[in-house]
Amino acid sequence: DTEVTQTPKHLVMGMTNKKSLKCEQHMGHRAMYWYKQKAKKPPELMFVYSYEKLSINESVPSRFSPECPNSSLLNLHLHALQPEDSALYLCASSQRVKQLDTQYFGPGTRLTVL
Amino acid sequence: SQQGEEDPQALSIQEGENATMNCSYKTSINNLQWYRQNSGRGLVHLILIRSNEREKHSGRLRVTLDTSKKSSSLLITASRAADTASYFCATDRRWGNTPLVFGKGTRLSVIA
Repeated sequence: DTEVTQTPKHLVMGMTNKKSLKCEQHMGHRAMYWYKQKAKKPPELMFVYSYEKLSINESVPSRFSPECPNSSLLNLHLHALQPEDSALYLCASSQRVKQLDTQYFGPGTRLTVL
Repeated sequence: SQQGEEDPQALSIQEGENATMNCSYKTSINNLQWYRQNSGRGLVHLILIRSNEREKHSGRLRVTLDTSKKSSSLLITASRAADTASYFCATDRRWGNTPLVFGKGTRLSVIA
């Protein structure tokens, strides 16, 4: 199984809502990533988890809160978002956070903040 | 910034033609990877080339790497409409365990 799954596929939320994005992989990968991608732009790294511990936070605002409950699951909790946070949120995984590791991406969650 | 820069930003070709995309980067790397993204979807890994390799092939894909010029190219031969997508190069840093940094991407349109 070389698949990374993400739910939901689409999410519309108001600025006062609290929602969560979910990501799952069963490849035994120990590194998991959250990216944000705006239209016609490259993915921007948000967070990296290595062995279920947060190893990189790319100065992401606290209204985004990641969580890694176990080695297969990665969540992104959303609270008090702004319209400019509307984007495609991509989850990825790799065997480890090492230079030669290929990243496997999920299909993304298209988030719209009203 | 380590971020790769692809050119052209957009490329439109006829089916059957070859497509060449270029990527330049700024600092020493261990490897360079190319990914494809269909519209609004996740990225798919295409090929990885190590810093000590100069050329690599995978099916209709040919990747070259010139570390002296800090540049790479991706050639897609005999293009198909299904190759229509955005293509990103991704680089690491030579020292330290750092995740990939993606370039700005080339949007390829293959017209049937």
